Amino acid sequence: DIVMTQSPDSLAVSLGERATINCKSSQSVLYTSNNKNYLAWYQQKPGQPPKLLIYWASTRESGVPDRFSGSGSGTDFTLTISSLQAEDVAVYYCQQYYSTLPYTFGQGTKLEIK
Amino acid sequence: QVQLQQWGAGLVKPSETLSLTCAVYDGPFSGYYWNWFRQPPGKGLEWIGEINHSGTTNYNPSLKSRVTISVDASKNQFSLRLTSVTAADTAVYYCARPAVAGRGRWFDPWGQGTLVTVSS
Repeated sequence: DIVMTQSPDSLAVSLGERATINCKSSQSVLYTSNNKNYLAWYQQKPGQPPKLLIYWASTRESGVPDRFSGSGSGTDFTLTISSLQAEDVAVYYCQQYYSTLPYTFGQGTKLEIK
Repeated sequence: QVQLQQWGAGLVKPSETLSLTCAVYDGPFSGYYWNWFRQPPGKGLEWIGEINHSGTTNYNPSLKSRVTISVDASKNQFSLRLTSVTAADTAVYYCARPAVAGRGRWFDPWGQGTLVTVSS
C-alpha cells in the first residue's frame, strides 16, 4: 500500500492568515507517461462527507474558492489556504489514486482558528 | 447533478453481517466504478472496495475476506455486505463515485454517510 502521511496533525491559524498542510507519500504518485501527480485533497466538516477541493495535485475543483491551492510533485505535496476564513475550519485529507488497490488517504489535519 | 443516497441498519450485533445499499439518481450508472469507504469515529478514511455496472469488483486486501459488494444495475443501486463484524467495524460508511469515468481517480460525489455501530 502507498502510505500517506500528513503534517501537522492539527493546526491553528488566525483569520486572514495563511494555512499550510503537508502530505507525503511513501512512494512517488507521479505517473511519468502523462506527467500527472495522482493526488487529491478533500475538506471534511463535522457530520458531512468529504468535499473534493483539488485533484491532479493542483487543479482546483469547480466552485472551490481560489484561496485554496495545491502544489508539489512526486512524494511531497502541500495544500495552502492563502487567507483563512471562518468557514475553512475543517479536517483536510490527501488521497492518492496512483495505486488503486487500495486507494489510500492521509490521517487528516484538523484546522482551527487561533 | 448525480446524487447518491444510502441506507441500511445502524446497529449490528457482533459476529453478524453489516448491510448497506446506495442508490444513484440523476446520472449515468454504467461506465463508472461505484465505491464504498468507511471512517471510524474521529479517525481517517478507508477504502473498502468498488464495483462496476457489470459486477466486476475490487476490494481492499485488508477486508477482502469479509466483504462482498454487489450491484443491481436495473435499479441503479449497489450494496455492501461485511460479515463477522466486531467493534472495530464501527464507523460511518460512505458510498461514492469517481468524478470521472474509469478507475484510478478522485471521488465526487459522496453519499450522506451511515453510522453503523457494532454492539450487542
